Amino acid sequence: EAQVTQNPRYLITVTGKKLTVTCSQNMNHEYMSWYRQDPGLGLRQIYYSMNVEVTDKGDVPEGYKVSRKEKRNFPLILESPSPNQTSLYFCASSIGTASPDTQYFGPGTRLTVL
Amino acid sequence: KQEVTQIPAALSVPEGENLVLNCSFTDSAIYNLQWFRQDPGKGLTSLLLIQSSQREQTSGRLNASLDKSSGRSTLYIAASQPGDSATYLCAVREGSGGSNYKLTFGKGTLLTVNP
Repeated sequence: EAQVTQNPRYLITVTGKKLTVTCSQNMNHEYMSWYRQDPGLGLRQIYYSMNVEVTDKGDVPEGYKVSRKEKRNFPLILESPSPNQTSLYFCASSIGTASPDTQYFGPGTRLTVL
Repeated sequence: KQEVTQIPAALSVPEGENLVLNCSFTDSAIYNLQWFRQDPGKGLTSLLLIQSSQREQTSGRLNASLDKSSGRSTLYIAASQPGDSATYLCAVREGSGGSNYKLTFGKGTLLTVNP
């Protein structure tokens, strides 16, 4: 089954404790991206990647890191999480360079930083 | 900076009605526009994608139109059903494609279809 998976689905952590949220897709997609969704602010793009070793900032990259060492994986790293990073995070992927470039979303990771 | 606005923020209709959701964007230099559905606590599901060169796309009871020059898109839902209740989001991909993959989302329209 074609899908985007995220782990963990729920995470409660404390300020300053490094964490990684994994994202994996099995569709051989070139493009992958991370978003956060907050009430009243909607979905905002954090980082995206057009291919292996190619990443770029979205609208809200501060406090986040990403890496794209393999085509299927695109982990989101919070080196020193803070309470304002409490949010619902989504990973997405798409073909990238072909049309139609439909976005496929993961189920989301709900992160709470205390 | 691209801004995407969706009106109305919430809509409640009786079952069977035809309805229109609106999406507007400030920068007409877009590559494509996509409509999504989001159920509570779930991820987004793509409904329709319109390339910048296209005027509309249809899937079943859904029809999406795009007027790039005026910065507007509409999602038309025919014969609405309670199962259509969800939040509907539109998103625009900027630029001419290639390596620019900035996506900007609207805040969504919460649709409730009453039996």
